Amino acid sequence: GENVEQHPSTLSVQEGDSAVIKCTYSDSASNYFPWYKQELGKRPQLIIDIRSNVGEKKDQRIAVTLNKTAKHFSLHITETQPEDSAVYFCAASIRGQNFVFGPGTRLSVLP
Amino acid sequence: GAVVSQHPSWVICKSGTSVKIECRSLDFQATTMFWYRQFPKQSLMLMATSNEGSKATYEQGVEKDKFLINHASLTLSTLTVTSAHPEDSSFYICSARPFGQANDEAFFGQGTRLTVV
Repeated sequence: GENVEQHPSTLSVQEGDSAVIKCTYSDSASNYFPWYKQELGKRPQLIIDIRSNVGEKKDQRIAVTLNKTAKHFSLHITETQPEDSAVYFCAASIRGQNFVFGPGTRLSVLP
Repeated sequence: GAVVSQHPSWVICKSGTSVKIECRSLDFQATTMFWYRQFPKQSLMLMATSNEGSKATYEQGVEKDKFLINHASLTLSTLTVTSAHPEDSSFYICSARPFGQANDEAFFGQGTRLTVV
């Protein structure tokens, strides 16, 4: 089955700096890759997603890149703010099926 | 976006009792819903896939007789934790993807924090 790895497990950045989180997946059939932000005790919130027919997607300060050949995708957050502090999960799935989540990255943005 | 409602948001129960958690899709139909479990500081792990009108599919290591899943309608799936023990204490969360939609996005319930004492 699918296996998703995620690095780093923790990341601290200064406010205004950029943060990059990287994920790899194992199943070449996976074609949908969402990124979620989760605050303590709350449901995951979708922040950006990308499909396998696209290499890059951007939404304001957030961007995701996908390399299908290498089976890895990355989340980029620019101009980080303290409210960006949370746990971020990447996931991979095949359309209509369940998500396989990465182990998560705890991002701390220091003021 | 679509809304998935999960209840209760938290529950405390005595060891040996059963707890039922409901997951409802409020504005769309879902033939499939997914149940995840999340232990503190860990990721979401799929427990089972709930299929409307048929038996759920359980992941390896998840006891189907302990975690009973019922998906009786296109908008409701329930997870019952039977004979709960302290090690079952966790954050349980459901998700669903609207049936037939072109968008791949999944929608999550609020989650249920179960504490077994």
